[in-house]
Amino acid sequence: EPEVTQTPSHQVTQMGQEVILRCVPISNHLYFYWYRQILGQKVEFLVSFYNNEISEKSEIFDDQFSVERPDGSNFTLKIRSTKLEDSAMYFCASSERENGEQYFGPGTRLTVT
Amino acid sequence: GEDVEQSLFLSVREGDSSVINCTYTDSSSTYLYWYKQEPGAGLQLLTYIFSNMDMKQDQRLTVLLNKKDKHLSLRIADTQTGDSAIYFCAETSENTGFQKLVFGTGTRLLVSP
Repeated sequence: EPEVTQTPSHQVTQMGQEVILRCVPISNHLYFYWYRQILGQKVEFLVSFYNNEISEKSEIFDDQFSVERPDGSNFTLKIRSTKLEDSAMYFCASSERENGEQYFGPGTRLTVT
Repeated sequence: GEDVEQSLFLSVREGDSSVINCTYTDSSSTYLYWYKQEPGAGLQLLTYIFSNMDMKQDQRLTVLLNKKDKHLSLRIADTQTGDSAIYFCAETSENTGFQKLVFGTGTRLLVSP
C-alpha cells in the first residue's frame, strides 16, 4: 500500500540554524500539507500546497518558513532560523484531490537546542 | 473559527465496546475524520464521514454523526489491546476550501486485558 514517507525521523539543531524537513507524498497525489504537533498540544495546520503554489497557510507559517517541491517526488519544509519554540513533531500529508482524505507520514521530530 | 473538542481519556476492558466522542463548531459542509496515533508513530486514517450522512460502518468501526448537536462519535466493537492509542477527531470544511484539517486534542484509549 502506498504511503507518505518523511526524513529524517529525528533532527536536532541549534537555535538560529536552518533545517529542511523532507517528505515523499503518495505518487498520484496532487495536494500536499505540513502540520506540526508541539508536545502535549493539538496537531496544527501549517500550509497547503497545490500546483507549485501555496494555497493556504496559517498564522504560524511566517517568513521563517517556506515549502518547495524541488522535483516530481519530494516536498520540503524549510525553517530558515530555528527558534526553541519550533521544537515539535512535523507531519507531512498528501491527498489525491482538493476535498480528499489526507494521508500522513510518520513525522519528523525536530528538537531545537 | 473552527474548533474541535474531545474528552482526554477513556479506559475499557478487552472485548467491550469503546465510544469516543467529539464535538465541532463549523456550520458549513464538513468532512469529519478519525485518525489513530500509536506511540512513536504517525497519524493513521481510520475512517471519515461527510456531513450529509448520519452513520458509517467499517468492520469494527461505527461512526455516528448528530448534525443538530454537531456531535461525532467513534464506536469500536470488541476492543482489543492493540486498539490502545490516541484517537483524533478532525474536520475540514467548505469554509476553508477543504484545505486544512482542524484537530481535536485527541482521546487516549487504554484497553486492559
